[in-house]
Amino acid sequence: GESVGLHLPTLSVQEGDNSIINCAYSNSASDYFIWYKQESGKGPQFIIDIRSNMDKRQGQRVTVLLNKTVKHLSLQIAATQPGDSAVYFCADPPNTGNQFYFGTGTSLTVIP
Amino acid sequence: DAGVIQSPRHEVTEMGQEVTLRCKPISGHNSLFWYRQTMMRGLELLIYFNNNVPIDDSGMPEDRFSAKMPNASFSTLKIQPSEPRDSAVYFCASSLHSNSNQPQHFGDGTRLSIL
Repeated sequence: GESVGLHLPTLSVQEGDNSIINCAYSNSASDYFIWYKQESGKGPQFIIDIRSNMDKRQGQRVTVLLNKTVKHLSLQIAATQPGDSAVYFCADPPNTGNQFYFGTGTSLTVIP
Repeated sequence: DAGVIQSPRHEVTEMGQEVTLRCKPISGHNSLFWYRQTMMRGLELLIYFNNNVPIDDSGMPEDRFSAKMPNASFSTLKIQPSEPRDSAVYFCASSLHSNSNQPQHFGDGTRLSIL
């Protein structure tokens, strides 16, 4: 199947700065995307999702932007905190069924 | 509200032994997924079930792997015989509905080491 890829494997930011994590997808028919956060020793945790009829969605301190023209997603974290240090995955389900394909993830490190 | 529960959290065994991983999905969820995570390959989908029925097992690496879901509240992933290359973290996840626009909820995984 088609896959999800992440632009950068690692990202370091200063505490209090904003973080931007990028993700490219290849399936132009994808209509739903999810961002997950995975802390060490734990399973991926749902952060925020977005449907293809939207180009922006905001949560608490997080914003996801979707650019369908270039098949690109980004996750923005405002005022990054040490607790935000984790691996972040974007997930792109194929059109049939409830499967999710994940990339290798971006490791975010917040520097105090 | 309990999340997805996996057991054991850690398993260390010698190659050739049978390994059984267990998962209890969130009550009311009717889709269940097994994943394997390694540093090299990231998170890979092995198999998923809808309403206890296996839908897609194309991710299962080989015949040594098998998965069952005898009822809505329990699933197992079995490896027999196990090999060192099976060492990984195995995650179970569940979701509410069997359509594409529902997030999956993950357990905390089983860290498997095959010596």
